[in-house]
Amino acid sequence: SQQGEEDPQALSIQEGENATMNCSYKTSINNLQWYRQNSGRGLVHLILIRSNEREKHSGRLRVTLDTSKKSSSLLITASRAADTASYFCATDLGGAQKLVFGQGTRLTINP
Amino acid sequence: EPEVTQTPSHQVTQMGQEVILRCVPISNHLYFYWYRQILGQKVEFLVSFYNNEISEKSEIFDDQFSVERPDGSNFTLKIRSTKLEDSAMYFCASIYRGNTEAFFGQGTRLTVV
Repeated sequence: SQQGEEDPQALSIQEGENATMNCSYKTSINNLQWYRQNSGRGLVHLILIRSNEREKHSGRLRVTLDTSKKSSSLLITASRAADTASYFCATDLGGAQKLVFGQGTRLTINP
Repeated sequence: EPEVTQTPSHQVTQMGQEVILRCVPISNHLYFYWYRQILGQKVEFLVSFYNNEISEKSEIFDDQFSVERPDGSNFTLKIRSTKLEDSAMYFCASIYRGNTEAFFGQGTRLTVV
């Protein structure tokens, strides 16, 4: 299978702290994307990082990709209550091929 | 901002009945997908569609499932004879071209009773 694990499965932190979530995968990939899902709702795209990129930023989000370790991390800085959601990484083999999702990390930001 | 829209948001159906889930992808997108998420589990790929034909399908996408793009804007998923285990959230997604982000709809929650 293409996808591995995300950890932690659940993370609870205080508002203002940073949150780090990790994703590992098993095969070579072309792109890795991070999505957010609020409870029972749709998937919101956060950021796409290509296999030849090592780091990418978008606002309070920082994504790293280590292809030698087949892993990625998502860092949310200065967390807010509105960041409470599940976060998923998804990989693809390039082109317009399907996304393979991880199990996700459930993030809770306590006010 | 353009978005993928799905209807209905929630559908309850009797086991054995046919259901059609509807999606309107972003208008200039060329690749279309259906995924599903059983409650509390990860999102799983069902099928991809390009140039009016299926590009790839998963093991889940058996003969009970079909997809269609009947009029150049809608993209539908039909389940011919629903089973209890088809209960899930179904997501439609589209992309403009390869190696770009996928945009997902809000999902249709299908409950088979």
